[in-house]
Amino acid sequence: DAGVTQSPTHLIKTRGQQVTLRCSPISGHKSVSWYQQVLGQGPQFIFQYYEKEERGRGNFPDRFSARQFPNYSSELNVNALLLGDSALYLCASSLGTSTGNTIYFGEGSWLTVV
Amino acid sequence: TQLLEQSPQFLSIQEGENLTVYCNSSSVFSSLQWYRQEPGEGPVLLVTVVTGGEVKKLKRLTFQFGDARKDSSLHITAAQPGDTGLYLCAPYGGWGKLQFGAGTQVVVTP
Repeated sequence: DAGVTQSPTHLIKTRGQQVTLRCSPISGHKSVSWYQQVLGQGPQFIFQYYEKEERGRGNFPDRFSARQFPNYSSELNVNALLLGDSALYLCASSLGTSTGNTIYFGEGSWLTVV
Repeated sequence: TQLLEQSPQFLSIQEGENLTVYCNSSSVFSSLQWYRQEPGEGPVLLVTVVTGGEVKKLKRLTFQFGDARKDSSLHITAAQPGDTGLYLCAPYGGWGKLQFGAGTQVVVTP
């Protein structure tokens, strides 16, 4: 069975541009979360979506937005890119939202802003 | 906001040695998860601890949860190169929101 898949795997953008990252959760998983991992740090929570609605948001500016589609896939959008947005963006999925549901991570999308 | 501290930040050991990494918080954990992240991959769940004083074993890995549920440790016996990775702890209260620490980078050389 396919795990969490993310695209693109690597991309380079210029300051001020916009980027869209995509995530396909494990089949049957309805909960999708997004994390940002800067080099040398642990992942930081950005958003969580469940049943196509935003259920949680981390401490990130409004330049970051996301959505979940009827097939439970998700997109993360970042506008007006800054150098500091350079990071690994991880998508994670789980069956549901309880603490008993294992969270599975994708391999991430490496974003470099120049 | 729960302050989470992991120590040490970096650990380099030879194959066959033992190691322990720590996870401490200023607040009580409802539950705590440990993950390992290898280069180029996302974190993978190793264990979830819930009860104060709990000890869980996963082959050569032993996880302990403090009695007060404010700290946890991960002990690896006879480390192998395959244990190399970033070890992350995170309290988890549900809803897909994990609050990771900065992690401990472990390097095991043959």
